[in-house]
Formats: sequence, C-alpha cells, structure tokens
Amino acid sequence: QKEVEQNSGPLSVPEGAIASLNCTYSDRGSQSFFWYRQYSGKSPELIMFIYSNGDKEDGRFTAQLNKASQYVSLLIRDSQPSDSATYLCAVKGDTGNQFYFGTGTSLTVIP
Amino acid sequence: NAGVTQTPKFRILKIGQSMTLQCTQDMNHNYMYWYRQDPGMGLKLIYYSVGAGITDKGEVPNGYNVSRSTTEDFPLRLELAAPSQTSVYFCASRMRGVPNGYTFGSGTRLTVV
Repeated sequence: QKEVEQNSGPLSVPEGAIASLNCTYSDRGSQSFFWYRQYSGKSPELIMFIYSNGDKEDGRFTAQLNKASQYVSLLIRDSQPSDSATYLCAVKGDTGNQFYFGTGTSLTVIP
Repeated sequence: NAGVTQTPKFRILKIGQSMTLQCTQDMNHNYMYWYRQDPGMGLKLIYYSVGAGITDKGEVPNGYNVSRSTTEDFPLRLELAAPSQTSVYFCASRMRGVPNGYTFGSGTRLTVV
C-alpha cells in the first residue's frame, strides 16, 4: 500500500505570514508530486507540481522536494484569507498511472 | 472549453437502487479516474482508465462498475446502493506523461438512505 501522509491540522496563520504544509510518502520510487487546493464544497484544483529535488517557485507558492527523505512541502508566502482551504498532497509512483492522495491539511489564514 | 463535466451534482438514493454517475471531458485526455472522498479520509481511487476500452480497479472498486467506450466518457455505475456508498464522487482526467496533473470535475454528492 502506497501511503501519503499529511498533518490534518487545522493550521492557523495570521495574514501576511508564511504557511508551511508538509507531506511524506512511502514509495521511494515516486516520480512526481502535486499540491492541490480544495475549498469547502468544491473540487480540488492543481496549484503546484514538482519532480526534481530542490525548490520550485510560482508566485507566492514554493514547493520543496527531498527524495532522500521522502518529503515534499508547500510554502505559502504573504498568506491571504483567500488561501484558507484544505491542501492535498498527491504522489505518482514509478509504476501505474494513478496518484495517491494524502488526507489533506486544513489551513486558516486569520485577517 | 468545459473541462471535466459531472452529472448529477446531487442525488439521494434508497438502499438497493442503482444509478449511473456521468463524466465527460473535452480535453482529449487519455486517462480518466473515479475517486470518492469521505470526510477526513482523503481521496480513494475506485476505477481508472488509460484509454477507450481499457479499465482497471483502484483501491475501493467493490459495488461499482465502469466502462470506457469513447475517449470522452467514463460513467460510473452503482449497483444495489448501500449506505456505505454515501460520499462525494469526483471524476478526473489527465494527459499521458509526466508531470501532467489531474483536472477534476465539480463532483457528485450522493446520499444513500
């Protein structure tokens, strides 16, 4: 069973602060890693992907990947109340065509 | 460009009834998936398809069936509905290749009573 683990939270940060979301995975052969944002009652939407060790930045979002530690994280700089949502980590293994999802971390940004 | 379209958005079924959840995508994606999402449990894969005529089971296939006769459509059939199938169902699709992510439909909220 391929496992993806996230701290369910809730994580609360003040507006303007950095929010740090973490994810670990069990399949050492995993190739690509995705972060989805899901607002309450809505479907997940893709915000970042990463497949090489190191950092990848896109606007206020930075994804960090450490394959040796089997760890991927998402940093949200200058957090805004509109960032309040559940963030899902998804991992694609080295075999198969499906993604494995964590249970998500609930983030609340306090104005 | 509509993306991934799911119907219906909401449905209440009685125990033992059957229904089909519809999913259509207009992005010419090869791969399509059905997930269910229960509170606090994350997304669990029910079935997936890598192309027309090819389907495969995911983690939780019992009580469900699928077909993929065209690239665009991937319906999910529930036979003999049970309360345990109360959930939110998401259809997703993606193009073959790394690192293409999923595009999700808006979901179907199903209640079995």
